[in-house]
Amino acid sequence: DAKTTQPTSMDCAEGRAANLPCNHSTISGNEYVYWYRQIHSQGPQYIIHGLKNNETNEMASLIITEDRKSSTLILPHATLRDTAVYYCIVRVVGNQFYFGTGTSLTVIP
Amino acid sequence: EAGVAQSPRYKIIEKRQSVAFWCNPISGHATLYWYQQILGQGPKLLIQFQNNGVVDDSQLPKDRFSAERLKGVDSTLKIQPAKLEDSAVYLCASSLESSGGYTFGSGTRLTVV
Repeated sequence: DAKTTQPTSMDCAEGRAANLPCNHSTISGNEYVYWYRQIHSQGPQYIIHGLKNNETNEMASLIITEDRKSSTLILPHATLRDTAVYYCIVRVVGNQFYFGTGTSLTVIP
Repeated sequence: EAGVAQSPRYKIIEKRQSVAFWCNPISGHATLYWYQQILGQGPKLLIQFQNNGVVDDSQLPKDRFSAERLKGVDSTLKIQPAKLEDSAVYLCASSLESSGGYTFGSGTRLTVV
């Protein structure tokens, strides 16, 4: 079962930062936070993951609170191509990924 | 690096018919997964293979669904007979090892009428 809570939908203006929140209040010490996104008619695409520290890659930044009970995915300069469903998943390495219903992000021109 | 290949892209069948989906994972990826995604929901794991052995098939409806990965590379997922509620996108994913992130294919959209 999914152990995360995300808003159902969000809008973001093109060129602005998109901040997608995720609550995972029951996360265990050995569970990582992963983010995937799914663009219409495609399979989910890996974005980023982290354990405790904030992480950044070419796609996004992941900010994890000190108590690890929530996190935020940041897309620094959203484009129309970032319109997708974003999934926040907590997972023990080696276990399967449980996908919830995610956040539907719409980037508005 | 070539991605995960799936075919067909779309399939429409009548209920009680049979259907098969094919997946070719990324070369060298030992772990392969089949997921079912019903419209409006997140993907749900059906079965996980490690090389040619089944690791987890606890959520596979075994009375009608079957899957195999005979040589530890390609995999097929079969539904026989299909029901209306099997209408979904069937996604294949692979990873270098079970601890890694997954790479998904584009999926096969099945419509049962």
